[in-house]
Amino acid sequence: GQNIDQPTEMTATEGAIVQINCTYQTSGFNGLFWYQQHAGEAPTFLSYNVLDGLEEKGRFSSFLSRSKGYSYLLLKELQMKDSASYLCAVRARGGYNKLIFGAGTRLAVHP
Amino acid sequence: DTAVSQTPKYLVTQMGNDKSIKCEQNLGHDTMYWYKQDSKKFLKIMFSYNNKELIINETVPNRFSPKSPDKAHLNLHINSLELGDSAVYFCASSLDETDGNEQYFGPGTRLTVT
Repeated sequence: GQNIDQPTEMTATEGAIVQINCTYQTSGFNGLFWYQQHAGEAPTFLSYNVLDGLEEKGRFSSFLSRSKGYSYLLLKELQMKDSASYLCAVRARGGYNKLIFGAGTRLAVHP
Repeated sequence: DTAVSQTPKYLVTQMGNDKSIKCEQNLGHDTMYWYKQDSKKFLKIMFSYNNKELIINETVPNRFSPKSPDKAHLNLHINSLELGDSAVYFCASSLDETDGNEQYFGPGTRLTVT
């Protein structure tokens, strides 16, 4: 079966660091994506990991451990505009760029 | 400038009606997708086309029929609408169907069936 787990909600303070975890069990693995989705808007791409390790992109970093079926998204120097849902998605083996999404983690950043 | 556009943005209709949602991308991508996001915010793939050819067809009622007249357009027609079809439908596109290509999403169509 296919299963992707993320915490439902998280809260954090402006300027702080937050880590959003994602664990997955899928039939094969061909990469993991993180997307950001503000309320009422479209998801937008944040990061892609296919090999183990850390990918850094400005204030956002994403980590992958394929042996543990685990990823996290790290957000540094949090800003109010980072309040959004963060979606973890796995590209399962079988081709055609088919993504299986988790339910998303709703992050609330306050002053 | 809009990369992936959808019309309409909102659609309110009664049970039993037939409706269509249109999607267009101007990114020159080969692959397009339809997703459904329900009230619990799960985003689930429904269909994907690569260069006008259907490549992903998930377990979706056959009341839903996608059509791709060319690789820049992917429309979704829904027959005999039911209450459970109420959701936000997102169109997306990617360069092609191979590994690692990020998907660009349209703004979504919020469908409400009464």
